[in-house]
Amino acid sequence: GAGVSQTPSNKVTEKGKYVELRCDPISGHTALYWYRQSLGQGPEFLIYFQGTGAADDSGLPNDRFFAVRPEGSVSTLKIQRTERGDSAVYLCASSSQGTDKGYTFGSGTRLTVV
Amino acid sequence: DAKTTQPPSMDCAEGRAANLPCNHSTISGNEYVYWYRQIHSQGPQYIIHGLKNNETNEMASLIITEDRKSSTLILPHATLRDTAVYYCIVRAAGGAGNNRKLIWGLGTSLAVNP
Repeated sequence: GAGVSQTPSNKVTEKGKYVELRCDPISGHTALYWYRQSLGQGPEFLIYFQGTGAADDSGLPNDRFFAVRPEGSVSTLKIQRTERGDSAVYLCASSSQGTDKGYTFGSGTRLTVV
Repeated sequence: DAKTTQPPSMDCAEGRAANLPCNHSTISGNEYVYWYRQIHSQGPQYIIHGLKNNETNEMASLIITEDRKSSTLILPHATLRDTAVYYCIVRAAGGAGNNRKLIWGLGTSLAVNP
């Protein structure tokens, strides 16, 4: 596609529920990133994929968070047993392999845990 | 922690140049300076990046001091649509997994006034 697509744009879930957030990167971009952003803060790194594998998952806050990219394109961020503190905007970005150019971000998924 | 320091907010008159400063006094020799901006309720947008030479593109100019300890992003003729939070980020060059993530600060909130 022309840009990075994230679905849903908004998600409201109850505390303790499981959620999946989807990211569809720019076609041909091998690198994919997940960030989350709380109100008034800059984005916070979660995980980076190069192809199908997670090259850096050091930003995942705990084992309730997991992300996959099985075919090296679409990625899903999965959050188990959601907590109110997980409420944030979850941003996805993609870039071409081996480039030091900027990343292209999606518009994000706003997750609200009630 | 973020390696950059930016003023929290700035104002600029429409049609005038906006000069956004960034301090990165601990920058390493192989680290690039990146600038992104984030318009309200949107994902971040890449603007420009540089290593040591000044750079210009269709969006902005980047001026990096000779000692590389600070830089200035210049929007030559600011418009109302340039109102956004502007983030200055340093990141090492190269494709290694732990080099790819961006560490974001709080940025500068630029208000372009009519």
